[in-house]
Amino acid sequence: NAGVTQTPKFRVLKTGQSMTLLCAQDMNHEYMYWYRQDPGMGLRLIHYSVGEGTTAKGEVPDGYNVSRLKKQNFLLGLESAAPSQTSVYFCASSYAGTRPKGEQYFGPGTRLTVT
Amino acid sequence: KNEVEQSPQNLTAQEGEFITINCSYSVGISALHWLQQHPGGGIVSLFMLSSGKKKHGRLIATINIQEKHSSLHITASHPRDSAVYICAVHLRGGADGLTFGKGTHLIIQP
Repeated sequence: NAGVTQTPKFRVLKTGQSMTLLCAQDMNHEYMYWYRQDPGMGLRLIHYSVGEGTTAKGEVPDGYNVSRLKKQNFLLGLESAAPSQTSVYFCASSYAGTRPKGEQYFGPGTRLTVT
Repeated sequence: KNEVEQSPQNLTAQEGEFITINCSYSVGISALHWLQQHPGGGIVSLFMLSSGKKKHGRLIATINIQEKHSSLHITASHPRDSAVYICAVHLRGGADGLTFGKGTHLIIQP
């Protein structure tokens, strides 16, 4: 099993450009999450999904959109990138059976720089 | 005020020392997680606790629900334990994701 994978690993965008980050998991997890990690701030929840076709806002959702069209994939979109979105983005997934206590499995991260 | 506070922020110790990292939270939770992030950036879940104590190898995690406090202990520390250790909680009634502390940067010197 690959676990949780993220594409791409690195990306540099210019202000105003758009992009989509892809998260894929092969563990048949119901729950998927997008977090961002910034120096001095720790990890913060952007959006999450409790199942295929459902999404919800987390702590810092502004400027991002998400979609969960397939159970194994969770996409994070930036429609008009801003320098404040420079960060490392982590995707995670967990089982639904022990909600909300499920252990979370993290992807390797995507380092995004917006110039 | 952050809902999850960790101490210390930075810790340098000698190989073999007993390490303790503390986590305090100010709100009701349904579970607490300890995570490890290595210099390469990957994050691994070490423990998930809702009560009591768990042990895995040289790592021990405890939680006191009444005092809203958890500790992560490392016995016989080794340079390969050098990493950032992150405490995170599932808030009761909040979003399904985790709320994180800012992490403790641990360096174990040979």
